[in-house]
Amino acid sequence: QKEVEQNSGPLSVPEGAIASLNCTYSDRGSQSFFWYRQYSGKSPELIMFIYSNGDKEDGRFTAQLNKASQYVSLLIRDSQPSDSATYLCAVKSNYQLIWGAGTKLIIKP
Amino acid sequence: DAGVIQSPRHEVTEMGQEVTLRCKPISGHDYLFWYRQTMMRGLELLIYFNNNVPIDDSGMPEDRFSAKMPNASFSTLKIQPSEPRDSAVYFCASSQGPYQHYSNTGELFFGEGSRLTVL
Repeated sequence: QKEVEQNSGPLSVPEGAIASLNCTYSDRGSQSFFWYRQYSGKSPELIMFIYSNGDKEDGRFTAQLNKASQYVSLLIRDSQPSDSATYLCAVKSNYQLIWGAGTKLIIKP
Repeated sequence: DAGVIQSPRHEVTEMGQEVTLRCKPISGHDYLFWYRQTMMRGLELLIYFNNNVPIDDSGMPEDRFSAKMPNASFSTLKIQPSEPRDSAVYFCASSQGPYQHYSNTGELFFGEGSRLTVL
């Protein structure tokens, strides 16, 4: 059974600090990795994707991938209250997209 | 583009009734996905279509669930008869292929969802 694991949280971070969200996956053959953000009562939306080991930066967001350790993380710098949401990790494995249960992030003003 | 359009947004029905959820994907997208989301089980893929053809329906929970895509701009998910445990938010999503290729971003565009409550 292919699995994607996330801490459900909530993760509480002060405004302006760095929020660090983590995700581990079981299938070593996984090829691509995605972070979706879901506001309460809304649908998921893609914010980052990464294929290669290392870091990928996009504005305040950085995705980090370590295939040897089978984890992917999302860093949010200068956290804002508007970043409060559930962050879903999704892993493409053998043409399937496997979803984590999500981590609820709360940014405290 | 208008995005993925789902209807109804909310549906409250009684156990045993038939429920039909509708989806219009983004024009030009050749993949369509039906997901179910609950607090307990998270986001679950029910079925997906490529060019209107069902590719993988292994996530459909049981025979009470069926999905069709008669053309590129319309899909339905039907539950008959409905049960209280079917209560969830049902999302339709579409993407532009090739979904199977590892280099595809895999970005799914989700509709706003249909919140189903079965009493």
